[in-house]
Amino acid sequence: AQSVTQLDSHVSVSEGTPVLLRCNYSSSYSPSLFWYVQHPNKGLQLLLKYTSAATLVKGINGFEAEFKKSETSFHLTKPSAHMSDAAEYFCVVRPDTGRRALTFGSGTRLQVQP
Amino acid sequence: ETGVTQSPTHLIKTRGQQVTLRCSSQSGHNTVSWYQQALGQGPQFIFQYYREEENGRGNFPPRFSGLQFPNYSSELNVNALELDDSALYLCASSSGWGADTQYFGPGTRLTVL
Repeated sequence: AQSVTQLDSHVSVSEGTPVLLRCNYSSSYSPSLFWYVQHPNKGLQLLLKYTSAATLVKGINGFEAEFKKSETSFHLTKPSAHMSDAAEYFCVVRPDTGRRALTFGSGTRLQVQP
Repeated sequence: ETGVTQSPTHLIKTRGQQVTLRCSSQSGHNTVSWYQQALGQGPQFIFQYYREEENGRGNFPPRFSGLQFPNYSSELNVNALELDDSALYLCASSSGWGADTQYFGPGTRLTVL
């Protein structure tokens, strides 16, 4: 079985300050991990993915995430928030064996204040 | 390269009716997955189709069914609609059932009254 817990349902930052969105996962197998972003009335867009290569993963728009197996975490960070980053962010886990369906967290809404 | 498209964008139905949602996969992709996203929640896996066969299913009742066509486009059918079926339905395509990345369409917003 696999699951994802996003520790904050809502995060608010000021423009230009760092962003941290927290994610813990549980998986019976070696998982692949993803972060997706969803802007209002838009589809889900892949930000970055971890698939058992480098533990520090760089994604689009300046986002990065670090896979920490000992802590079962995959937190998303960005050094400096931009107004356009305001959106819903989903941490996602997928096992590397069996049915490879995506399991989504409940989401973190990022608000960026001017 | 054309991305994943879904139709219709919005749909309103009444309880007990049936609905069909459509998805065109990205060019070159032979796998389609469907997800249900209720308001304020993360998407939940409904099922996946690979080369016209169902390849996995989540915890959804049999009144949720699907099809995949030879051109790899797909339909999601829901019978006997219930109020709780109101959600955003997302389609995602990938280049194989084990592919790393799924590409999502914009979704169909279904409202059941």
